[in-house]
Amino acid sequence: DQQVKQNSPSLSVQEGRISILNCDYTNSMFDYFLWYKKYPAEGPTFLISISSIKDKNEDGRFTVFLNKSAKHLSLHIVPSQPGDSAVYFCAARLMDSSYKLIFGSGTRLLVRP
Amino acid sequence: ETGVTQSPTHLIKTRGQQVTLRCSSQSGHNTVSWYQQALGQGPQFIFQYYREEENGRGNFPPRFSGLQFPNYSSELNVNALELDDSALYLCASSQTGLYGYTFGSGTRLTVV
Repeated sequence: DQQVKQNSPSLSVQEGRISILNCDYTNSMFDYFLWYKKYPAEGPTFLISISSIKDKNEDGRFTVFLNKSAKHLSLHIVPSQPGDSAVYFCAARLMDSSYKLIFGSGTRLLVRP
Repeated sequence: ETGVTQSPTHLIKTRGQQVTLRCSSQSGHNTVSWYQQALGQGPQFIFQYYREEENGRGNFPPRFSGLQFPNYSSELNVNALELDDSALYLCASSQTGLYGYTFGSGTRLTVV
């Protein structure tokens, strides 16, 4: 069963506009949600996170919103830049002995110049 | 501060063979996790090691095993390789109690 879902496999936006990447989850036993960015031939790179007790976290051009009632989170990138083109993974940290990360399947973002 | 390094970067093995993948943790990190990323999917948790003991395991068969050494480096061993084991294997290190996981660039395993 997929506990973390990213339903959009790809997204294309114009440079300077907003990119919105979405993620849904089904398990309430997550204490942190994280976004990772991945370029080809590289490992995922941590981008931004949010605690399950928060609604919003902002870091420069990146903002993550968490809607606990809807079990939904989103990553906003404003303004989008061509260098943001990558695969973005949503991940949730499970509150068990391992605190393992459960990943979504990723969204490929293309920012057009 | 060195990051997470994995070796080898690419590997081709024959079905039925055994493989060992290696990972050096980021300095100061005492926990190592391994993930399998199949094509078009997100990374899937295999297992995690803390203080040289496995302290969490995902839905992977026993032919996937691991080790953590006193210097916190780690190995992932896979026996009796199957074609479906072809994937990118990612190692991630962290400091216990913190949520930040640093990933290596991965080992691309192809089973033919």
